[in-house]
Amino acid sequence: AQTVTQSQPEMSVQEAETVTLSCTYDTSESDYYLFWYKQPPSRQMILVIRQEAYKQQNATENRFSVNFQKAAKSFSLKISDSQLGDAAMYFCAYRSREYGNKLVFGAGTILRVKS
Amino acid sequence: GAVVSQHPSWVICKSGTSVKIECRSLDFQATTMFWYRQFPKQSLMLMATSNEGSKATYEQGVEKDKFLINHASLTLSTLTVTSAHPEDSSFYICSAQAFLPGDTQYFGPGTRLTVL
Repeated sequence: AQTVTQSQPEMSVQEAETVTLSCTYDTSESDYYLFWYKQPPSRQMILVIRQEAYKQQNATENRFSVNFQKAAKSFSLKISDSQLGDAAMYFCAYRSREYGNKLVFGAGTILRVKS
Repeated sequence: GAVVSQHPSWVICKSGTSVKIECRSLDFQATTMFWYRQFPKQSLMLMATSNEGSKATYEQGVEKDKFLINHASLTLSTLTVTSAHPEDSSFYICSAQAFLPGDTQYFGPGTRLTVL
């Protein structure tokens, strides 16, 4: 079964600094998608970034970028120039067609941003 | 674009009553909608997957007679919690996915259910 592991329950970062959130996953499939979702205190789930497994190039969205290591089954999220509004729970998620396109979520990492 | 709404955002009901939660995709057609449950400071737990015009597929351990899901159109899915009890109190979130298999799931803002 597909599993997603986020080993950091909480992380802290100073405003304007860079932080990396870790995520590993387990799968035997070759075609899948990976996502990072952000859930602020409002609890609205917001898509941060997505990565298709067949793409070797790491996805980037403004201050957010990923380090996708397919062989190692690792998918970390780097947040540069951290802002107070980045404080939230971050979820790593996996999805594949063979699994019915259902999202499998990690346990989440709480990110605190210090001013 | 890609907005999903949920109604109500917060509902309080008495034990034994039924509650209906609506999930709408406002600017796209969703062939598939998903319903999740989330406890405080925990991850999302998938309850069921619904496809327009067909019966929902429930995850193991989810009572389908307790949580009735209807996906009557390409823009609306409903979750009805029947004979609600205090242990059903939780945060319920829906998500919607458009036609293409690679399409992203977009999430509604969630509904907080409190059963007294």
